[in-house]
Parts: sequence; structure tokens; C-alpha cells
Amino acid sequence: DAGVTQSPTHLIKTRGQQVTLRCSPKSGHDTVSWYQQALGQGPQFIFQYYEEEERQRGNFPDRFSGHQFPNYSSELNVNALLLGDSALYLCASSFLGLGQSTEAFFGQGTRLTVV
Amino acid sequence: KQEVTQIPAALSVPEGENLVLNCSFTDSAIYNLQWFRQDPGKGLTSLLLIQSSQREQTSGRLNASLDKSSGRSTLYIAASQPGDSATYLCAALNAGKSTFGDGTTLTVKP
Repeated sequence: DAGVTQSPTHLIKTRGQQVTLRCSPKSGHDTVSWYQQALGQGPQFIFQYYEEEERQRGNFPDRFSGHQFPNYSSELNVNALLLGDSALYLCASSFLGLGQSTEAFFGQGTRLTVV
Repeated sequence: KQEVTQIPAALSVPEGENLVLNCSFTDSAIYNLQWFRQDPGKGLTSLLLIQSSQREQTSGRLNASLDKSSGRSTLYIAASQPGDSATYLCAALNAGKSTFGDGTTLTVKP
């Protein structure tokens, strides 16, 4: 079992550019959540995807968008990058059993630096 | 809106000491509470998951407790080792969304 895999591991972008981050969930999981973690802080919830639909969303602007594919993998897109978007982006997968997510497993993250 | 607080923000102990990390949350209608470990620049490793109907969970030298009524969870680490040095995060799950504290950074000195 490969667990949750994210790509790329590191990325450097220029202000104003667009970026796409990718996540493959743990085998058997159907739900993917994305988090942004600034240095020294806990992860902040961006959104969650289930059945290819955005199920929940945190307090992030529309510049942050996502997608889930039929194989449950997911992408996070950020447009018009700002310096403040520099952070570790984490993907978590879980199984939405009886309407609530089970234990969440996290990937190793993508370190995004905006210059 | 759920808010999660972890105290202390940092803790330094000598090897072999038993210690307790604290996590408090404002909305007691949680589905579960999960403890994670994070090494510098890395992702999160799940340590223990406590369902809302449970009071505690144990794994090796780790024991986590949950008191929903008071909005508190604790992570007890027995006989600490230098390899336990990391940031420990708790997360409360409500309505499909996890809210994290800012973590406690633990340093265990040899």
C-alpha cells in the first residue's frame, strides 16, 4: 500500500502564476481533503472532495480550486499566486463510510514557494 | 466555528520522563479527535484516533484520552525518548472537516 502520495514535493513559482498540485489517496479511500500549513502553524482546511464534488470548503478565496477524478485522485489549483500562498500543502485521504470521514491519512506535502 | 488550542506551544524534557500534551476544543459535537506527529518539513503521521463514543486509545507508549463534555483531550507519552522529538498536533473532526491546533513542539534531551 503506497499510502497517500503527493507531487511534486517542492515547487517555486513567481507571483501571478498558476500552480497545480496533485494527490493520490490511500487505497480504499474515496475522499480527499486539502490543507495549507504556514510555518509554525497548524494546517488550515481548504476543501474536501467526494464523488468528484466539492463537499466542504474552508475560508479560502476562489483562487483556490480543485478537482477529483473518477479514480479518486485529486488536484489543487491556485491562480494568481501571492507571496502569502507560500506554504506546505497537505493532502489527506479518508473513507466516507456512514456519512462521516474515518481516520485521515496524510501525504508528505508539497512545499510551495512564491517569489 | 470550531477552535482548537494546544498548550504548551513548546516543551523540553529529559529522556525518560513521562509527559502530557493538552488539546482543547470549543465545539463538543465532534465525530472524532485525532493526534498526529509532524517532523520538520514533513507531512503528518497519524498516532491515535479517538471516536466520539470512546474515552481513550492506547498505542505502545502513547495514550490519548477524550472528554467531550469539557472539550479536552490529552496525549500521554511514557518514558520519552530523543526520537519522540517532533511537533504533535491534534485535530477535531466536525461535519466532515478537521480543525487543527497549532501544535506542541516537543524536545527530548538525551
